[in-house]
Amino acid sequence: AQTVTQSQPEMSVQEAETVTLSCTYDTSESNYYLFWYKQPPSRQMILVIRQEAYKQQNATENRFSVNFQKAAKSFSLKISDSQLGDTAMYFCAFMTFAGNQFYFGTGTSLTVIP
Amino acid sequence: DTAVSQTPKYLVTQMGNDKSIKCEQNLGHDTMYWYKQDSKKFLKIMFSYNNKELIINETVPNRFSPKSPDKAHLNLHINSLELGDSAVYFCASSHTSGGFSGNTIYFGEGSWLTVV
Repeated sequence: AQTVTQSQPEMSVQEAETVTLSCTYDTSESNYYLFWYKQPPSRQMILVIRQEAYKQQNATENRFSVNFQKAAKSFSLKISDSQLGDTAMYFCAFMTFAGNQFYFGTGTSLTVIP
Repeated sequence: DTAVSQTPKYLVTQMGNDKSIKCEQNLGHDTMYWYKQDSKKFLKIMFSYNNKELIINETVPNRFSPKSPDKAHLNLHINSLELGDSAVYFCASSHTSGGFSGNTIYFGEGSWLTVV
């Protein structure tokens, strides 16, 4: 069975600074997908960034980038130039290659301080 | 147009009642899910359907019964509601092609259920 671990329940960052959220996972599969989802107070689940395990290049979406270390089974999210609107819960997630199983971490609550 | 829509968004009901939450997706996906998010914000999968067939049925009380009339719809019916059922319920969908197709899971906006 796959597991996803987020070891930082809460984090804070000053506006305009950079923060990194950590995520590790456990799987015996060689191909899979990894995601970061953002959940603001509205509770809407918003896809932030997505990584295919077969790609060595780290995914990037504007101010959001990941550090994907396949051998270490690590998938951290870096948020640059943090903005107040980045305040939210962030969930790391794993999807099997077949796409039929999907697992979430326990989330990291990020607060951006003005 | 909303990709994954669920209704109602808010629902307050008394213990012992039976209620349903409906979900529809217009993405052409073949897999749909129900997740429960409790007060601690843990997201727990409840059910997964692929082409109307039940794939995942996690340990949930049998008071919860999913129904998938077609692959674009997955409804959740809850019997004899209890206080502990209060949570946000998320419907989601994805496409399971089994290949390098860019699988991503998309969520509805959530249904806030409060049992009093």
